[in-house]
Amino acid sequence: AQKITQTQPGMFVQEKEAVTLDCTYDTSDPSYGLFWYKQPSSGEMIFLIYQGSYDQQNATEGRYSLNFQKARKSANLVISASQLGDSAMYFCALKEPYFGNEKLTFGTGTRLTIIP
Amino acid sequence: KAGVTQTPRYLIKTRGQQVTLSCSPISGHRSVSWYQQTPGQGLQFLFEYFSETQRNKGNFPGRFSGRQFSNSRSEMNVSTLELGDSALYLCASSLAAGGVNEQFFGPGTRLTVL
Repeated sequence: AQKITQTQPGMFVQEKEAVTLDCTYDTSDPSYGLFWYKQPSSGEMIFLIYQGSYDQQNATEGRYSLNFQKARKSANLVISASQLGDSAMYFCALKEPYFGNEKLTFGTGTRLTIIP
Repeated sequence: KAGVTQTPRYLIKTRGQQVTLSCSPISGHRSVSWYQQTPGQGLQFLFEYFSETQRNKGNFPGRFSGRQFSNSRSEMNVSTLELGDSALYLCASSLAAGGVNEQFFGPGTRLTVL
């Protein structure tokens, strides 16, 4: 089974609208972390937001928030008031807490295009 | 604080050659991970180093190797290059002080094998 699934290969959104990027995950560990990264055409992976499995509140970072539904194993990224500069690939990633493990497992990504 | 740096940014090699890529982590970060990104396979984990020791390795052939120096800088080497090795190679650093740590990525090295 895929550990991380992003079902939206591409999305087109009007500028200033909110957008939700879907991510579901699969792990049997009770402790894990979920990350979202943005990758513009330049290639660099930019960290956006992190959610720990034991965090009581949904994570928020400026215009980014994470809709974490633990029972459904989903961790959707919400971008409010989208901007042209938000056009990029977005990756969801899972980190499992094996001792000494820094490995991230990535989804296939969603290409977001913001339309003026 | 300076971010993760990778050199070179772009590289063109021919089949059969070997290549070495370099990654300098954020100051104070002791863990360095390497990822390969291709259109077909997406982002795949190569290996991770911590305190000069390889802690994890992905499912890649032995042509892919790496090392980490005492200052936490890391190098990745690919020998006998194949066309399929053309990819963006990303390096990430983290504190690795325990728990689930954020990983910060460098700009990547884009390798083209002709």
